[in-house]
Amino acid sequence: SQQGEEDPQALSIQEGENATMNCSYKTSINNLQWYRQNSGRGLVHLILIRSNEREKHSGRLRVTLDTSKKSSSLLITASRAADTASYFCAPISNAGGTSYGKLTFGQGTILTVHP
Amino acid sequence: DAGVIQSPRHEVTEMGQEVTLRCKPISGHDYLFWYRQTMMRGLELLIYFNNNVPIDDSGMPEDRFSAKMPNASFSTLKIQPSEPRDSAVYFCASSWESYTGELFFGEGSRLTVL
Repeated sequence: SQQGEEDPQALSIQEGENATMNCSYKTSINNLQWYRQNSGRGLVHLILIRSNEREKHSGRLRVTLDTSKKSSSLLITASRAADTASYFCAPISNAGGTSYGKLTFGQGTILTVHP
Repeated sequence: DAGVIQSPRHEVTEMGQEVTLRCKPISGHDYLFWYRQTMMRGLELLIYFNNNVPIDDSGMPEDRFSAKMPNASFSTLKIQPSEPRDSAVYFCASSWESYTGELFFGEGSRLTVL
């Protein structure tokens, strides 16, 4: 398994602005997932992008994947105070021929959206 | 579905005591994971099960930690004896056997060892 490294570590913006977070990883992947964690809560799955996809949208979320650069980005458009949370990426590799790889997480990006 | 259910939500204990954390995964999910989260170390994968069988326990910090999954609807993480450095939030997560591997997390058990 491998873990992604999120960048920046912290991001502070005003409501209505866009927020962009990046994720880098080291080895080839099958897919990459993004999760959100509100303070004091468990992680919640946001979106999954497969290795053969370059971009994916879900509501105000836009995820891109560049396998040549081994990186992904998560864009939140028109941010709201409720988007304040930590965001984690999880690159998934098909380990040992099994259909599942362990999900490990980096330190995440702490996003603060000011009203 | 009620989601992944963890208990207790908060536990305060004294050093040397035994701690048992419990998890009920989502019905039908074949994978169960235990994670630990601290400010210093972030989110660490401790162990995961597939069809009730432990697959990888390489993240278990030491012999004081043990995990079991006696059936598909219940898992425990036990710490004996507990130490102050075990203080953390422990999360359980489950997933169905799928290529996507999307995890569903519980709300966590916050452990404080005095």
